[in-house]
Amino acid sequence: GAVVSQHPSRVICKSGTSVKIECRSLDFQATTMFWYRQFPKKSLMLMATSNEGSKATYEQGVEKDKFLINHASLTLSTLTVTSAHPEDSSFYICSARWGGETQYFGPGTRLLVL
Amino acid sequence: AQSVTQPDIHITVSEGASLELRCNYSYGATPYLFWYVQSPGQGLQLLLKYFSGDTLVQGIKGFEAEFKRSQSSFNLRKPSVHWSDAAEYFCAVGAKSSASKIIFGSGTRLSIRP
Repeated sequence: GAVVSQHPSRVICKSGTSVKIECRSLDFQATTMFWYRQFPKKSLMLMATSNEGSKATYEQGVEKDKFLINHASLTLSTLTVTSAHPEDSSFYICSARWGGETQYFGPGTRLLVL
Repeated sequence: AQSVTQPDIHITVSEGASLELRCNYSYGATPYLFWYVQSPGQGLQLLLKYFSGDTLVQGIKGFEAEFKRSQSSFNLRKPSVHWSDAAEYFCAVGAKSSASKIIFGSGTRLSIRP
């Protein structure tokens, strides 16, 4: 149980385009989903927390207009990187939580912006 | 301020040898503690967690961790490592009152010597 998927697993895009990453909880309803960014050989940095049906809460320093988060249902959250630039290239990981304190993580999405 | 310290960046142990990965935390409230493992290019898998009760916690894949409040530590142990244990290990801490955010340590990379 507690499986979280992400799609796509890998994406390459041109600078200036937008990219959408999906995060789904497959066998549970996630009241809260989280988006992290991980730089090579670094730890995870929390970008934002999203609760179903409400606006996401962004961490300090994360541009909300650049990283759009939508949590439309209890099983789906999306992260859209708008007008992507090479410095946005990273590994993006989502996690989901339902009621309890444990977060379950997706497999990650590697974004490369050329 | 809350923080998690993993003092060992990289550890190499021989297959079959015992393992201990160190984790120290700084937290004002009663912490929730986690250990996650990340294989290359993958998301995070929960190994074990401590919320309360018995301070020795058993996890998956033969791992265990011991919560020592007096030392603010939550070290991860395994009596005999396997080559498949080579991965990145992250210690994390969350708050009892607001466990929706968890803080990750910088990670320890584990290599296994044949």
